[in-house]
Amino acid sequence: KAGVTQTPRYLIKTRGQQVTLSCSPISGHRSVSWYQQTPGQGLQFLFEYFSETQRNKGNFPGRFSGRQFSNSRSEMNVSTLELGDSALYLCASSAGVSGELFFGEGSRLTVL
Amino acid sequence: QQPVQSPQAVILREGEDAVINCSSSKALYSVHWYRQKHGEAPVFLMILLKGGEQKGHEKISASFNEKKQQSSLYLTASQLSYSGTYFCGTGAHGSGNTGKLIFGQGTTLQVKP
Repeated sequence: KAGVTQTPRYLIKTRGQQVTLSCSPISGHRSVSWYQQTPGQGLQFLFEYFSETQRNKGNFPGRFSGRQFSNSRSEMNVSTLELGDSALYLCASSAGVSGELFFGEGSRLTVL
Repeated sequence: QQPVQSPQAVILREGEDAVINCSSSKALYSVHWYRQKHGEAPVFLMILLKGGEQKGHEKISASFNEKKQQSSLYLTASQLSYSGTYFCGTGAHGSGNTGKLIFGQGTTLQVKP
């Protein structure tokens, strides 16, 4: 069974640009969550999508957005990038009932 | 509010035991434990639910004290492969909150030969 796949794995952007990250969940998983991981703040919840609907949102500015498609694949977008957005962005999928999260290896974003 | 993990770091010799604690100021519905090795994704270890239900790996044990709003992860007879950063994550009630966890700051565990 294929795991959670995130693309791209690494990317470098400059301040003011925007970025789109992609996540393909485990087949059959309808819940996709996004987390930001930084050395200072740790793992912080961004948002969760289930059946194409955002059902939870963390405490991040509106520059952070996401969506989920009918095949459960998800994208997150960060607009007007700031230096502080440099982080590892992790996607996790879940079958729902068990609660266990399966994480992808992440997309490492560097903002210069 | 973010749960607090203790200790922040632990160094062990192979075969030794360790306990990692996770405390919350809010009532807990579920506690999740994950381990992340450097450069890798966090990997699920265990879920503990209010009411006593547990799901996880056989070689990992944990406790969940609802009154104290605390969970502890027990690592016995540690192996080199146990090295990594351990995170606890607290979940809210309801199936609609499956993917939303509030993680602690992590406990770094290093097992030496």
